[in-house]
Amino acid sequence: AQSVTQLDSHVSVSEGTPVLLRCNYSSSYSPSLFWYVQHPNKGLQLLLKYTSAATLVKGINGFEAEFKKSETSFHLTKPSAHMSDAAEYFCVVSDRDDKIIFGKGTRLHILP
Amino acid sequence: DTGVSQNPRHKITKRGQNVTFRCDPISEHNRLYWYRQTLGQGPEFLTYFQNEAQLEKSRLLSDRFSAERPKGSFSTLEIQRTEQGDSAMYLCASSSDDRPPTYEQYFGPGTRLTVT
Repeated sequence: AQSVTQLDSHVSVSEGTPVLLRCNYSSSYSPSLFWYVQHPNKGLQLLLKYTSAATLVKGINGFEAEFKKSETSFHLTKPSAHMSDAAEYFCVVSDRDDKIIFGKGTRLHILP
Repeated sequence: DTGVSQNPRHKITKRGQNVTFRCDPISEHNRLYWYRQTLGQGPEFLTYFQNEAQLEKSRLLSDRFSAERPKGSFSTLEIQRTEQGDSAMYLCASSSDDRPPTYEQYFGPGTRLTVT
């Protein structure tokens, strides 16, 4: 069975400082992993995806994530936070059956 | 590419009434998914279709819920005899059988259901 754990329900950072949103996964197979972002009153948008190619994945808006099999982690990072990054972020795992499981989400707050 | 669309965007209904939601996927996508998202939680899988075939249903999908995709294009999700616990955002997503598969799903804006 697959599962995903987002280690923080809320993260607050100051504008211009680095962002780290943590995600650990469990999967019986080589998983595909995704990060989605959900802004208030907007649909889920794919930030980036890992599908067994390069372990360091670059996404939109300056975000990137590194797949670490030994640590079963897929943490999301950004070097410098912007006010527009304030949103809910979801880590997602998918196995070979195309069924995806969402984490509970991490709400990112950006302090001015 | 017009994206995934869902209608209505908001629905308020009284307990016991039936409601139906519609999802139009991205036109070339053959897979369609339904999720439910309650406040403070991530989306939870309800069911999915490959073309017109409904391949999997979550145990969250009680007998009051039914989904169809009759021609392999748009889909409907019906909830009969709504209960207050059905209040949630209902999300639709679609994906394509790419080779190699990426399992990347594109989401619609959702339908927010409020049962009073």
